[in-house]
Amino acid sequence: AQKITQTQPGMFVQEKEAVTLDCTYDTSDPSYGLFWYKQPSSGEMIFLIYQGSYDQQNATEGRYSLNFQKARKSANLVISASQLGDSAMYFCAMREGRIQGAQKLVFGQGTRLTINP
Amino acid sequence: DTEVTQTPKHLVMGMTNKKSLKCEQHMGHRAMYWYKQKAKKPPELMFVYSYEKLSINESVPSRFSPECPNSSLLNLHLHALQPEDSALYLCASSHPGLAHNNEQFFGPGTRLTVL
Repeated sequence: AQKITQTQPGMFVQEKEAVTLDCTYDTSDPSYGLFWYKQPSSGEMIFLIYQGSYDQQNATEGRYSLNFQKARKSANLVISASQLGDSAMYFCAMREGRIQGAQKLVFGQGTRLTINP
Repeated sequence: DTEVTQTPKHLVMGMTNKKSLKCEQHMGHRAMYWYKQKAKKPPELMFVYSYEKLSINESVPSRFSPECPNSSLLNLHLHALQPEDSALYLCASSHPGLAHNNEQFFGPGTRLTVL
C-alpha cells in the first residue's frame, strides 16, 4: 500500500504567487517524521523542511511552511511568493523507521512545479 | 563542510564492465545511504550503512556491491549490470542521533548509462 501520496503530478503557477503542494500519508506508528525535498533538473535533492508527528506547531523555514493536519494525515508544503528558481520536482517523504540510528525514508511520486514569469 | 560529493558525475559502461561509484562526506555523519532513481520516479532506497556496518539491504541484486571503508566514504561497486540499471544513483548521509529531524543530505548523483 502506498504510504505517501502526492496527487498533483504537475503544477503551473505565476511568479510571486503562493503555491500549495499536497501530501497525504498513511502510518500506524505514533512517532514519525515528514520531510519535503526539492530536486532541480541537476538531480541533487535539497532538504526544505521537516515536521515531526509530536510537533505542536507547523514548521516554517523562510518562504516554506508546512500545513500539518495530523487528523487528516496531510502535510502540505506552502511556498510563498514563488520565484522562477522554485521550478523543480518536489518530493514529500516520511521516515518509516530507524535501524541503529539510520533512517528509512519513503518518498511520494513527486510534483513537478513550474513557475511562469 | 555541509556537502556530500559523488564521483563520477556521469558514467557509461558496458554490461561486462566493472566500475565503482564513490561518495564522500565530512560532516561527521555516521549513516550513509545509496538510492536509485529512474527518470520521473522518486528515489528508491538500496542500501544503508550505520556506523560503517550494513544495516539495510533492500533486496538489491548482487551485481551491486556496497562498501563503507570508513566513516566518510561510501562506495558502490558495479559488475555485470543490465541496461535497466541505467539511472541516477544518489548518495546521502545523516547524523545517526535520536533527534527526530535528522534530515538526509544528498549528493548531486551519478548518472549511469549501461549499454
